[in-house]
Amino acid sequence: SQQGEEDPQALSIQEGENATMNCSYKTSINNLQWYRQNSGRGLVHLILIRSNEREKHSGRLRVTLDTSKKSSSLLITASRAADTASYFCATNRDDKIIFGKGTRLHILP
Amino acid sequence: EAQVTQNPRYLITVTGKKLTVTCSQNMNHEYMSWYRQDPGLGLRQIYYSMNVEVTDKGDVPEGYKVSRKEKRNFPLILESPSPNQTSLYFCASSLLGSGGFSNNEQFFGPGTRLTVL
Repeated sequence: SQQGEEDPQALSIQEGENATMNCSYKTSINNLQWYRQNSGRGLVHLILIRSNEREKHSGRLRVTLDTSKKSSSLLITASRAADTASYFCATNRDDKIIFGKGTRLHILP
Repeated sequence: EAQVTQNPRYLITVTGKKLTVTCSQNMNHEYMSWYRQDPGLGLRQIYYSMNVEVTDKGDVPEGYKVSRKEKRNFPLILESPSPNQTSLYFCASSLLGSGGFSNNEQFFGPGTRLTVL
């Protein structure tokens, strides 16, 4: 079963705008991670936020975590063409890692 | 260079012909995992391993086997492949965090695209 569920499924924005993606999950977690995947390639780790953290930044990325709502958001500021990719959240359930189905982000020139 | 390698990258085979996809990492990671990725379903964990000789089922283990005889290698074995195992497969590794959970980022291999006819 899918623990993490991202929304929207797909998102198209103009270059320079901010992109926000959300992830919801069902059970308690140790941490939540966001990954990026360029078409058909391996996933690349973006950021990890632990269950006792509420917000984390890395460059143009900002991740929030609300454990009471079992949700997280990924904000990409000042989007660029190179940000076009699929984005996945992943959570731990015991020793297993559960990925969501992803958000496809398309940056329009 | 720190990396996870998978071989082969592409494979077309026929139903019932045993195959092995190899995975190797050079980062001395304890945790290794196999995923399959299918359109509309995201990544689903097949098997994972916390360390040498320790393996466990993920969410979709049916039809697959794994082994972890050495820390760096984690092969995925399909004893009798079927068309529903046509998919894109990823191997990943990470350090183990405190408490025995994978609390660290995973490093992914480039993927193996398998077609079973």
